Amino acid sequence: GAVVSQHPSWVICKSGTSVKIECRSLDFQATTMFWYRQFPKQSLMLMATSNEGSKATYEQGVEKDKFLINHASLTLSTLTVTSAHPEDSSFYICSALVGGLGNQPQHFGDGTRLSIL
Amino acid sequence: RKEVEQDPGPFNVPEGATVAFNCTYSNSASQSFFWYRQDCRKEPKLLMSVYSSGNEDGRFTAQLNRASQYISLLIRDSKLSDSATYLCVVNSDSNYQLIWGAGTKLIIKP
Repeated sequence: GAVVSQHPSWVICKSGTSVKIECRSLDFQATTMFWYRQFPKQSLMLMATSNEGSKATYEQGVEKDKFLINHASLTLSTLTVTSAHPEDSSFYICSALVGGLGNQPQHFGDGTRLSIL
Repeated sequence: RKEVEQDPGPFNVPEGATVAFNCTYSNSASQSFFWYRQDCRKEPKLLMSVYSSGNEDGRFTAQLNRASQYISLLIRDSKLSDSATYLCVVNSDSNYQLIWGAGTKLIIKP
């Protein structure tokens, strides 16, 4: 089946650091990828929709200048958390849409646990 | 009202029992429905899609009730390994975005 690789799986860094998370589709091309954030005991919250070759679409309340998304190729999308602070500590998960069909399930990366000290 | 609502549980169920939980959605135009399973501190994994006529995959049965706007998941002969959080997911119209429920926690006890 479709495989999505997310890296790194765990990041611990000091406040003010910028952190880049990569999301790769390993055996398929993903024109659309999604970035989610999940706080403990809460549901996944969509942060942004990443489209290859164009600007990402951010959900209301998500700062696009703080969460930079780049989807430069059909197999790679990156999320950069700029000047991260403790309140940005969360579980970040990417997913990719296979085949560009909206009625198909999404395939998820393993997630990145971000801890800002 | 939340777009997708689930009973958070936890549902404490003895091994071997049958358990069922529902999920309600508010957008009547929703077209696609899924159940995902999420283990603690891990990414969600697709359990099964939910089709209009209902569908079964081994011990798992999913059903859709459009009139009442809910989907259900039934687990028969529950195993200890079924312990997880089950997330109900609904596709929002045609823009590919998924709306997630907060999940129902299931604990299977020996």
